[in-house]
Amino acid sequence: ETGVTQSPTHLIKTRGQQVTLRCSSQSGHNTVSWYQQALGQGPQFIFQYYREEENGRGNFPPRFSGLQFPNYSSELNVNALELDDSALYLCASSLAAGATGETQYFGPGTRLLVL
Amino acid sequence: AQSVTQLDSHVSVSEGTPVLLRCNYSSSYSPSLFWYVQHPNKGLQLLLKYTSAATLVKGINGFEAEFKKSETSFHLTKPSAHMSDAAEYFCVVKAGAAGNKLTFGGGTRVLVKP
Repeated sequence: ETGVTQSPTHLIKTRGQQVTLRCSSQSGHNTVSWYQQALGQGPQFIFQYYREEENGRGNFPPRFSGLQFPNYSSELNVNALELDDSALYLCASSLAAGATGETQYFGPGTRLLVL
Repeated sequence: AQSVTQLDSHVSVSEGTPVLLRCNYSSSYSPSLFWYVQHPNKGLQLLLKYTSAATLVKGINGFEAEFKKSETSFHLTKPSAHMSDAAEYFCVVKAGAAGNKLTFGGGTRVLVKP
């Protein structure tokens, strides 16, 4: 167990709806990264938050947005859901954003199904 | 830019025999390299990491990997496979300069036969 928790574990939404996924980072970690893992593929970087500010973004549209709170927990929000958004969403926490050898510790993920 | 290629999408081994998972990377900067394992319906667990120290890295559960800069490779090995090693394995690169994202390979699914 990494100490990173995510909620909910599973979620079913319909196309066009909005969804919020939550992540609690490991104690002492100030950085949270979000990844999307489509079925049969490796995870893809969505964005990272460091001390409540976005600290890098992958190739995802603006309808993917996030927040980080003072306690370093984080939310991923996806608007106008599309069928291709169906995936496992992984949150990872780490101690120092961008540091050489920084290790990211992953939560169990939220599996989102868009119908 | 950085990228990772895992050369085998599936590997099948017998219990007690060696495991080799192949990974090649591309990075504009000195990379940090990682291997993560994902068991069914579980999150990702770190096996080991390379961060420009010793080129032979030992990880958990008997796994090790060797960084070869000349070959841009970071292959993962284990001398003797166990049934519990059946899982998906990801090779991951993180760029050295302001690198705040992990870039994952496509994964290698390992099947262990009794």
